[in-house]
Amino acid sequence: GDSVTQMEGPVTLSEEAFLTINCTYTATGYPSLFWYVQYPGEGLQLLLKATKADDKGSNKGFEATYRKETTSFHLEKGSVQVSDSAVYFCALGGAAGNKLTFGGGTRVLVKP
Amino acid sequence: DGGITQSPKYLFRKEGQNVTLSCEQNLNHDAMYWYRQDPGQGLRLIYYSQIVNDFQKGDIAEGYSVSREKKESFPLTVTSAQKNPTAFYLCASRLALNTGELFFGEGSRLTVL
Repeated sequence: GDSVTQMEGPVTLSEEAFLTINCTYTATGYPSLFWYVQYPGEGLQLLLKATKADDKGSNKGFEATYRKETTSFHLEKGSVQVSDSAVYFCALGGAAGNKLTFGGGTRVLVKP
Repeated sequence: DGGITQSPKYLFRKEGQNVTLSCEQNLNHDAMYWYRQDPGQGLRLIYYSQIVNDFQKGDIAEGYSVSREKKESFPLTVTSAQKNPTAFYLCASRLALNTGELFFGEGSRLTVL
């Protein structure tokens, strides 16, 4: 079945550092890929998405490119802020489309 | 503003009691979902519904029940049969079963004493 693997956290960074969170997936067909962010005590919010190979999703300085050849959707941000401290989830919407499959989440802590 | 409202935000329950978590959406979405989140883990799907009066089991449905009598409402009951109910529960909705992103509520934290 479908699965998503993310790097384990926590990831601790200083402000203005470069952030990369690795995400790889296993799926049949051509899934849509998503990154969600969860701030403390809240639900998840969509950060960005990509629906086909080579698409790049971007939002709030974050970017991720749908790489079919490596089955990856790594999240990057060039200069993080303290306000980026959160848990980040990679997810895929499989060919069946009836649900999203989530990775385990990566906690990011940005220190001033 | 359109969105998803979950209540209560925090809930405490004694062992052996059933509890019901509320989820209401005013996004006019057809599909609704319940996920469970445990510390350090991803989200696991409990139940989902694509239309009124229809719902399907997810990956961890045992010990849970749902109903979908109205389009905007999808309550989740955590029964006494659920062996480890302490968790963070997230309700989500989507325009349709195969369409678009999920929108999430702010979650309900259930603690069994």
